[in-house]
Amino acid sequence: GNSVTQMEGPVTLSEEAFLTINCTYTATGYPSLFWYVQYPGEGLQLLLKATKADDKGSNKGFEATYRKETTSFHLEKGSVQVSDSAVYFCALLNQAGTALIFGKGTTLSVSS
Amino acid sequence: DAGVIQSPRHEVTEMGQEVTLRCKPISGHDYLFWYRQTMMRGLELLIYFNNNVPIDDSGMPEDRFSAKMPNASFSNLKIQPSEPRDSAVYFCASSLTGVVTDTQYFGPGTRLTVL
Repeated sequence: GNSVTQMEGPVTLSEEAFLTINCTYTATGYPSLFWYVQYPGEGLQLLLKATKADDKGSNKGFEATYRKETTSFHLEKGSVQVSDSAVYFCALLNQAGTALIFGKGTTLSVSS
Repeated sequence: DAGVIQSPRHEVTEMGQEVTLRCKPISGHDYLFWYRQTMMRGLELLIYFNNNVPIDDSGMPEDRFSAKMPNASFSNLKIQPSEPRDSAVYFCASSLTGVVTDTQYFGPGTRLTVL
């Protein structure tokens, strides 16, 4: 079945550093891909998504490109802020297309 | 809209007790999801409903867990009897349509501690 693997954390960066959080997937076909973010004490929020191969999702300075050649959907941001400190989850549809499968999450900690 | 509402936010109980977690989805959303989040296993889908009907409960860990959605504005997740390994954060989420690419809106979660 479909599955997603994302890099283990925590990721610790200084403010204004470049961020990459790796996410790779195994899937039948080309399912939609998502990044969700969980700020401390809150539920998950959709950060961005891409619904087909080669699409780029973007939001709040974050970007991720759906790359079918490498089966990846890496999350990037050019200059992180302290307020970006959170847990980031990569996700994709299950094989039936009926539910999301989440990665284990990557904790990002940004210091000033 | 107030978003997805969950109660209680925190629950501490003793092993063997019944636990009930509650969720009110966003009005008009046809899909409701229950997730469990632990450090070891990450975020797991337990069950989801479409128009109040359970569609997939394959993620429910065992018979001690049950979930119902008696109407479009309320769902509950029950654990009876509870065990320490049930300690986790339980999230409820809802989405507007049956298209799973549609955004899921998560509640703030219920942190359950079973002693």
